[in-house]
Amino acid sequence: DTEVTQTPKHLVMGMTNKKSLKCEQHMGHRAMYWYKQKAKKPPELMFVYSYEKLSINESVPSRFSPECPNSSLLNLHLHALQPEDSALYLCASTPTFRDRERTEAFFGQGTRLTVV
Amino acid sequence: AQSVTQLDSHVSVSEGTPVLLRCNYSSSYSPSLFWYVQHPNKGLQLLLKYTSAATLVKGINGFEAEFKKSETSFHLTKPSAHMSDAAEYFCVVSDTMDSSYKLIFGSGTRLLVRP
Repeated sequence: DTEVTQTPKHLVMGMTNKKSLKCEQHMGHRAMYWYKQKAKKPPELMFVYSYEKLSINESVPSRFSPECPNSSLLNLHLHALQPEDSALYLCASTPTFRDRERTEAFFGQGTRLTVV
Repeated sequence: AQSVTQLDSHVSVSEGTPVLLRCNYSSSYSPSLFWYVQHPNKGLQLLLKYTSAATLVKGINGFEAEFKKSETSFHLTKPSAHMSDAAEYFCVVSDTMDSSYKLIFGSGTRLLVRP
């Protein structure tokens, strides 16, 4: 199984709502990532988890709250978002080996988020 | 710091003609380089990767890329474009940290394939 599964595929939420995005992988990868992608732009890194610990937060506003409850699961909790937060949210995972030949990021299909 | 520059924001080719998508990188050491493809409203799919083995890398769907250290380039090619190749292509360099990787994306090249 070389898949990263993201749910839901689409989400519409109001600015006062609380919602969560979910990401799951069963490849044994111990590094997981959240990226945000606006239309016609490359993905921008938001968070990195390594061995279930947050290792990188790219100065993301606190209305985005990541969580890694176990080695297979990554969540992104959303609260009080703004319309400009509408984007495609991508999850990825990588092996944590130092072997360069194993370097590869696997991406999910993304969650298309619309904030109204 | 590592960086990657995609030299063309849009490339348009006719079906059946060669494809060339250009990428230059900047790295203080031997990098890991990747090409990813993204079809509309989809995630990213790995086309090919260069780590430290052969400089000519073959990927999926007939794509190839050649790592040229002297030119700091990693251009993506395909001998004959197909309509299904129309998509956004990202050149990516990997910055290795303790136990994870920071992927640094180029700005992307949109490939249009004319019938």
